[in-house]
Amino acid sequence: DAGVIQSPRHEVTEMGQEVTLRCKPISGHDYLFWYRQTMMRGLELLIYFNNNVPIDDSGMPEDRFSAKMPNASFSTLKIQPSEPRDSAVYFCASSLRWFYEQYFGPGTRLTVT
Amino acid sequence: DAKTTQPNSMESNEEEPVHLPCNHSTISGTDYIHWYRQLPSQGPEYVIHGLTSNVNNRMASLAIAEDRKSSTLILHRATLRDAAVYYCILTNTGNQFYFGTGTSLTVIP
Repeated sequence: DAGVIQSPRHEVTEMGQEVTLRCKPISGHDYLFWYRQTMMRGLELLIYFNNNVPIDDSGMPEDRFSAKMPNASFSTLKIQPSEPRDSAVYFCASSLRWFYEQYFGPGTRLTVT
Repeated sequence: DAKTTQPNSMESNEEEPVHLPCNHSTISGTDYIHWYRQLPSQGPEYVIHGLTSNVNNRMASLAIAEDRKSSTLILHRATLRDAAVYYCILTNTGNQFYFGTGTSLTVIP
């Protein structure tokens, strides 16, 4: 397996624009996680899915953020409208079970100007 | 959320053992202890996890205190490639994965 795939790897956008981050988990993994990492706040869990269903989105900062998982092989994290404080590295991870190790993607570095 | 406490940074000489401590005094009976590490410019990487007993794998060993209020990740021979931020995390079915700030390990040649 190619591991967790994220796209794009880098995204630069202007404030107010819509941003969509994409993730393809490892085949067969039941759990998918979205994280955000900044120097100030470290690595934060935003939302996670089990079998394509969102289980806990309490980490999503505000209504501008939304995440979907239409099928077992694809998930999106959308920010609309984007703001400069959303600049961060966004990681997607997947795992076979809740207690099992999570496999992280390479991340998407988002810069909002 | 159950939290962990780790030193901000540690140093080790190359090819010597490294003991990375983690305190988790509020751990519950069903919390698993996970360790991840993050190399520069990469996503976090799973290292090891355990519940009550000490665990060994090809990367490291995990020593868990008898009262489970602390644990230690042991790298038996540090290499330059082990320089990373190491995160100690607790989780069970009700918890989120809280990574905290981790320990930044510097390996000195």
